[in-house]
Parts: sequence; structure tokens; C-alpha cells
Amino acid sequence: EDQVTQSPEALRLQEGESSSLNCSYTVSGLRGLFWYRQDPGKGPEFLFTLYSAGEEKEKERLKATLTKKESFLHITAPKPEDSATYLCAVANFGNEKLTFGTGTRLTIIP
Amino acid sequence: EAGVTQSPTHLIKTRGQQATLRCSPISGHTSVYWYQQALGLGLQFLLWYDEGEERNRGNFPPRFSGRQFPNYSSELNVNALELEDSALYLCASSLDGIQETQYFGPGTRLLVL
Repeated sequence: EDQVTQSPEALRLQEGESSSLNCSYTVSGLRGLFWYRQDPGKGPEFLFTLYSAGEEKEKERLKATLTKKESFLHITAPKPEDSATYLCAVANFGNEKLTFGTGTRLTIIP
Repeated sequence: EAGVTQSPTHLIKTRGQQATLRCSPISGHTSVYWYQQALGLGLQFLLWYDEGEERNRGNFPPRFSGRQFPNYSSELNVNALELEDSALYLCASSLDGIQETQYFGPGTRLLVL
């Protein structure tokens, strides 16, 4: 069965302090890895899709990378508005569903 | 472009009742997915509909069911509600199939008393 583990569960950073969030996955055949941002009480907002090891995507202060076993979401010089829960999910060739991790709750302190 | 919409935003029911949740996908999207997000838990896959057919379901009992209409909108029905069904129910849509990026709606908060 597909598994997605995100770490850390929670992360507090000072404004401007760069860091990385980790998503480790186990799937039999990776179709795609997805990153979402979720604010409290709202639906997840799409950030990135990565399809193959070595791929990288960037958007403003965020950069996502992918290896054969994990993905990283790098946050450079974060601002308080980057505070949210970041979710990672994988799609499998075999069982036609997205499997989500439990997320990393990121807090940026002004 | 309008995003995924869901109604109602909040729903309060009592144990044993039935709940109906609705979802309208992004225009042009044919696949609709339903997820349950209970407090403190991750998103759990419920159902996937594509072209009016149920394509896959998660590990939920049969009292969770739904359908997709010809206009690709969808309904999720939960029968014989239990207290543990209280959660945020999220609908997502994609262009075609599980490998495409899923875009989420704002969710319906269901509270079972």
C-alpha cells in the first residue's frame, strides 16, 4: 500500500529564515507527486506537480524537488503569509487514487 | 475562471440522518473526487467519478455513496450518520483521470450531533 510521511509535523521559523519540508513516499509506480497548501478551514490550494526524479519546480519563495524516495519543499526567506499546512500527495499507476501525508504545519513569526 | 464550488458550506445533522453534499467542478473538468478530512487527520480518499461512472472508492462503508450527473457535477450521500462522520468533506476536480492535477473546493463542514 502507498505510504506518504511528512516531516516535521510542525515548524516555526522567523521571518526570512529559510528551511525545507520533507515528504518521503513509498509507491509501486509513481504517476506524480503533488504539493498543496491548506489554510485552516479551507480546501487545499495546488502548488506543484512533479513527475520524475530530478525534476524541480519553483513559485515565488517555494521550490519543490523530487528524488526516487522523497520530495522536498524549500522555502526561501519566508514571510508571515506563508504560514499554512503544506500537504504532499502521490498518485500511483496501480490503484487510481491520491494518497496524502498528514502535512507540515508551518508558522512564520514576524 | 470559476473554481470548484461546494454546497452547503456547513451542515448540522443528528445521528441516523442522511446528509447530501454537492460539488460543481471547474468548467471542462470531467473527473470529480471526494475526500474526508477529520480533525487532526489527513485527507482520506472517498470516491472518484469520471464521465458519470464510479471509478474507484476508498476504504469507507457502503453508506458513503454518490453520483455524477451529465453536467459533471456530483453529489455525496452519507446515510445513517454516525458521530465520527463529523469532518470537512472536500471535493476536487481534474481534467481527466487520476494523474492530472486535482483542484479542490472550499469544503463542506459536516457536524453530526
